[in-house]
Amino acid sequence: GAVVSQHPSRVICKSGTSVKIECRSLDFQATTMFWYRQFPKQSLMLMATSNEGSKATYEQGVEKDKFLINHASLTLSTLTVTSAHPEDSSFYICSVAPGLGNNEQFFGPGTRLTVL
Amino acid sequence: DAKTTQPPSMDCAEGRAANLPCNHSTISGNEYVYWYRQIHSQGPQYIIHGLKNNETNEMASLIITEDRKSSTLILPHATLRDTAVYYCIVRDNNDYKLSFGAGTTVTVRA
Repeated sequence: GAVVSQHPSRVICKSGTSVKIECRSLDFQATTMFWYRQFPKQSLMLMATSNEGSKATYEQGVEKDKFLINHASLTLSTLTVTSAHPEDSSFYICSVAPGLGNNEQFFGPGTRLTVL
Repeated sequence: DAKTTQPPSMDCAEGRAANLPCNHSTISGNEYVYWYRQIHSQGPQYIIHGLKNNETNEMASLIITEDRKSSTLILPHATLRDTAVYYCIVRDNNDYKLSFGAGTTVTVRA
């Protein structure tokens, strides 16, 4: 399967600051990437679909101005949590979809965000 | 709008087969059954998927009933490293989106 990395693996920040999380597809070019978040003891919730070279598509209830997504290249998508607050503390996970007939999704290892 | 129903948890003995059930009674003709698992504090891992035929790979077997309203994931020889949350997901193969339900927390015991 595809190799997907995320950086950082964990981050602690103060309330009001912005945090950028990177998702990289290491062994193929991904036109589509996904961002999920997972609160403790809950399942993954899709936040947005990131398409290379175009605006991301956000799921209902996800604030696009708070969670900025940039997919500027075929191997990199970034999620920026702006003006983070304690309620944004969560596990953020990206995934990539190879496309071209392969409908699997390959997930990154996740980024643990803690906002103090 | 969960499309699947799974038991919340199950235990199994190391070395024995683990049979994980999933109900998807409203599945439509062009929807596949996907299984992923998530080991604690890691990203989900793809296991297997199928449409109507039984499938097998190096990780598991997937048995889908003839009416496609339910399926069973079989881990043939469970190990301690198979302890994870297992998600059964129904998805249209033209749609990349995955909707995760609560899954089944599987605990493999020595």
